[in-house]
Amino acid sequence: NAGVTQTPKFRILKIGQSMTLQCTQDMNHNYMYWYRQDPGMGLKLIYYSVGAGITDKGEVPNGYNVSRSTTEDFPLRLELAAPSQTSVYFCASGELRDSYSPLHFGNGTRLTVT
Amino acid sequence: GENVEQHPSTLSVQEGDSAVIKCTYSDSASNYFPWYKQELGKGPQLIIDIRSNVGEKKDQRIAVTLNKTAKHFSLHITETQPEDSAVYFCAGRSGGGADGLTFGKGTHLIIQP
Repeated sequence: NAGVTQTPKFRILKIGQSMTLQCTQDMNHNYMYWYRQDPGMGLKLIYYSVGAGITDKGEVPNGYNVSRSTTEDFPLRLELAAPSQTSVYFCASGELRDSYSPLHFGNGTRLTVT
Repeated sequence: GENVEQHPSTLSVQEGDSAVIKCTYSDSASNYFPWYKQELGKGPQLIIDIRSNVGEKKDQRIAVTLNKTAKHFSLHITETQPEDSAVYFCAGRSGGGADGLTFGKGTHLIIQP
């Protein structure tokens, strides 16, 4: 049972480059999320999706884009990488059949922009 | 929106002693409070959660307490072991919760041998 799988694990980008962080889940969860984690700052919500074809902004969406064409996949796109986007990115999913359902996280992608 | 504060940022305890991590939340409508453990190089893993209609929940050496009036909740770990060393995050969810969880900034728990 793979759960939430994120690729790649590590990536170094130059300023201005673009990339897509991949996230896929095999639990048939409707809800998916992207968080970024900076040292001492906890996790901040970037974007989320409540189902295929539906996405919405979180607390820190600037500089990112997402799409949700299938239930399983929720890629995060960085179009013009900036040093401020150096962070660890976590994808999560959940059923949210009620407000008590937990989120399940992947193991993250560590991104460095230089 | 919800705001979750977590203290302390670092906690060092002797192996076998107890550890307590505290969180406060701002939104009185919040009704679900999970705790996550994050080991080095891994994603957060749920270790225990509590609903707003419950005051305390236990799972072996781990317990969580909730005081709705004061809007704070705490994680208690008894008989700490080296494998308890990790970063712990509290979180809260209000309302329907489609926009996920609001996290505290984390506590780095260090178990001294």
